[in-house]
Amino acid sequence: DVQLVESGGGLVQPGGSLRLSCVASGFTFKSYWMSWVRQAPGKGLEWVANINQDGTEKYYVDSVKGRFTISRDNAKNSLNLQMKSLRGEDTAVFYCASSGSGSYYPDNWFDPWGQGTLVIVSS
Amino acid sequence: QSALTQPRSVSGSPGQSVTISCTGTSSDVGVYNYVSWYQQYPGKAPKLLIYDVTRRPSGVPDRFSGSKSGNTASLTISGLQAEDEADYYCCSYGGRYTWVFGGGTKVTVL
Repeated sequence: DVQLVESGGGLVQPGGSLRLSCVASGFTFKSYWMSWVRQAPGKGLEWVANINQDGTEKYYVDSVKGRFTISRDNAKNSLNLQMKSLRGEDTAVFYCASSGSGSYYPDNWFDPWGQGTLVIVSS
Repeated sequence: QSALTQPRSVSGSPGQSVTISCTGTSSDVGVYNYVSWYQQYPGKAPKLLIYDVTRRPSGVPDRFSGSKSGNTASLTISGLQAEDEADYYCCSYGGRYTWVFGGGTKVTVL
């Protein structure tokens, strides 16, 4: 079965840093675009970032540019999100999701999704 | 990028049909046939229901269907069942490698 398992969430103070990870299994991870999508408590979903198969292309939503960095380690089937200068509005459940195996473009949908990891930014 | 606009809630009786609208702009929904829909139960991860406006992944019941007209996409649930009570989110490609979601719609089965 395809499985995505996120980890690394927790409580962090405003201005702090946190690194999220997502370990994939059940599919050829290195062949897939991957994404992070977040959901603030009681709110809707927000696409955060995605990365192509070899990590040479990375795209971010404007609100996290310069603060978040997406990366991957294909040898470890791992997707990462390094977050710095965290703000209260970054409080959310962060999901990793697959974005397809296109050679040049990701799929325009997200499937499957992990169960998410909660990040709370508060003093 | 502004979030797509969805009604906060819709409701229907078992067996009825409900339609959820998703309104964007001429920069996202109106120009790209790349709208997807997701179902989310409380405390659970979203699940893909529809992609590329009308296409259903294998395993998704054909009670779920998608459409688009102009800047508005729609998800219709036919033959509403108790298990369809959940939150539903639309998503559109917004150009330049960005994606935008709607605020979500809670479906209540009366």
